[in-house]
Amino acid sequence: DTEVTQTPKHLVMGMTNKKSLKCEQHMGHRAMYWYKQKAKKPPELMFVYSYEKLSINESVPSRFSPECPNSSLLNLHLHALQPEDSALYLCASSQDPSGEYQETQYFGPGTRLLVL
Amino acid sequence: QKEVEQDPGPLSVPEGAIVSLNCTYSNSAFQYFMWYRQYSRKGPELLMYTYSSGNKEDGRFTAQVDKSSKYISLFIRDSQPSDSATYLCAMQLDYKLSFGAGTTVTVRA
Repeated sequence: DTEVTQTPKHLVMGMTNKKSLKCEQHMGHRAMYWYKQKAKKPPELMFVYSYEKLSINESVPSRFSPECPNSSLLNLHLHALQPEDSALYLCASSQDPSGEYQETQYFGPGTRLLVL
Repeated sequence: QKEVEQDPGPLSVPEGAIVSLNCTYSNSAFQYFMWYRQYSRKGPELLMYTYSSGNKEDGRFTAQVDKSSKYISLFIRDSQPSDSATYLCAMQLDYKLSFGAGTTVTVRA
């Protein structure tokens, strides 16, 4: 089973709202990722969690706040977003972030976010 | 120069044709090479994954990697309308994936 689930599928929020995106995997993967994908563009890496600790932040604005409550869950908290933040937000996971097991990343279906 | 170059197309072929997709890359340190398929408004789905030069076949799909030329290809035989999607090549070094721009493919019935 290579399933990564994400909720909600769609989200509409105003610029003053606070919302959260959720990602879950039960493959025992120890690395989890958040990506942002704009229309007709490839995914862009935002954050990497390795063994439940934030290891990479690709200079993402602080209005995006990731959280990894446990090895199966990844959240992305959103606050005071801008209309240009509207995009497909993708979660991914891989087995071992150290590279020892050389497993690639499996993506969830994404949350389509619209900021008004 | 981008690390990974991929012609965005679009590419339109009749049903049953062979679809040929390719990417070039500049970073010789890339360790792993993937092809993802992405349907409209969905997440990328891993199609093929390889780490060495040569061919890898899975059903109607064949992936080729030529590390000496820094060139990878994906071939889809007997293409079906259900193969209509965007195909993204990706190269991995440690945790980081570098994607091509994606090629949009339409298979006409």
